[in-house]
Amino acid sequence: GENVEQHPSTLSVQEGDSAVIKCTYSDSASNYFPWYKQELGKRPQLIIDIRSNVGEKKDQRIAVTLNKTAKHFSLHITETQPEDSAVYFCAAGFQKLVFGTGTRLLVSP
Amino acid sequence: GAVVSQHPSWVICKSGTSVKIECRSLDFQATTMFWYRQFPKQSLMLMATSNEGSKATYEQGVEKDKFLINHASLTLSTLTVTSAHPEDSSFYICSAIQGAQKETQYFGPGTRLLVL
Repeated sequence: GENVEQHPSTLSVQEGDSAVIKCTYSDSASNYFPWYKQELGKRPQLIIDIRSNVGEKKDQRIAVTLNKTAKHFSLHITETQPEDSAVYFCAAGFQKLVFGTGTRLLVSP
Repeated sequence: GAVVSQHPSWVICKSGTSVKIECRSLDFQATTMFWYRQFPKQSLMLMATSNEGSKATYEQGVEKDKFLINHASLTLSTLTVTSAHPEDSSFYICSAIQGAQKETQYFGPGTRLLVL
């Protein structure tokens, strides 16, 4: 089955800096790669996703890149703000998803 | 659009009792729903996949007789934790997919279960 690894587990940045979170997956059949943001005690919220026929996708300050050959994908957040502080999860699959272990992002003012 | 609700949002029960959690898609028909469990500071672990009108598919290590899932309609799936024990205390979250060819999962707000 699919296995998703996520790094780093924690990430501290200063406001305005960029943050990068990386994930690797094992199953070449996976073709959908979403990223979720989860605040404490709340539901995961989809922030961006990418499908296997696309190498990069951007939405304002957030971008995701996908390297199918190497089986890894990354989340890039530019101009970070304190409200970006949360836990971020990557996932891989199709309809059924396997989630990474999460990255706790802390943006200090 | 694509709103998923869960009820109750939290529940405290005594060991040995059963607890039912409802997951509803409010503004769309969900062909597939998923049930996850999340322990503090951990990731989401898929428990089972629920398809309307058919039996749920459980992940390895999840006891189907303990975690009963019923997906009786295109807008409602229920998870019943039977004979709950303290180790079942967790955050249970459902998600729903809007159609057979869709991938995006929309999550419910979660149910926090505490078994005393």
